[in-house]
Amino acid sequence: QSELTQPPSASGTPGQRVTISCSGSSSNIGSNTVNWYQQLPGTAPKLIIYSNNQRPSGVPDRFSGSKSGTSASLAISGLQSEDEADYYCAAWDDSLNGGVFGGGTKVTVL
Amino acid sequence: QVQLQESGPGLVKPSQTLSLTCTVSGGSISSGGYYWSWIRQHPGKGLEWIGYIYYSGSTDYNPSLKSRLTISVDTSKNQFSLKLSSVTAADTAVYYCASSAYYFDSSGQNYFLDYWGQGTLVTVSS
Repeated sequence: QSELTQPPSASGTPGQRVTISCSGSSSNIGSNTVNWYQQLPGTAPKLIIYSNNQRPSGVPDRFSGSKSGTSASLAISGLQSEDEADYYCAAWDDSLNGGVFGGGTKVTVL
Repeated sequence: QVQLQESGPGLVKPSQTLSLTCTVSGGSISSGGYYWSWIRQHPGKGLEWIGYIYYSGSTDYNPSLKSRLTISVDTSKNQFSLKLSSVTAADTAVYYCASSAYYFDSSGQNYFLDYWGQGTLVTVSS
């Protein structure tokens, strides 16, 4: 069981906007910043959002992150077929004194 | 750009010690500013944080693995390593190494994994 809670799946048609939620607690999301990783099939995860809403160089601005209280969300606007992947939220947890991940959300492009 | 590559045995017997090394290129472990992390992913499952080490040797470990885990660094070889003792089938996973930023600011603790190795599958089986 993951410390952060994500829906197992999400889907949309090309061009649509898809949002993925991530729920935590006061010891992780409530106190610290949230990051998002994209994992394409058979590959290593890739950082796409860090510090709640910052995009690393090279990540399209279709990806955006936000945080409010003990929850965070990742939005993918203008969904494209290459966005089909697993997405994980993550944060530092002060109680565990370690990193924690969500269980992952599989995004399907219909 | 930093690149990381995991290496080590792909098959480990139960009760033995799993040992992996991560070789870093494109940057120096001893230059500071980065923490060097291990993460694993059980087959078909999500990601699990294992721990990290700083070039000085300071570490933080996942509490659930702490009693069996050692992460070390060899700055002369620009490598860091993971040793997990008394393994069982439950330790079968793809193991990733990654460079990580870790700092505190007005938004709280920032910890994120910006560069990842390709991962290596370790199977625990007799």
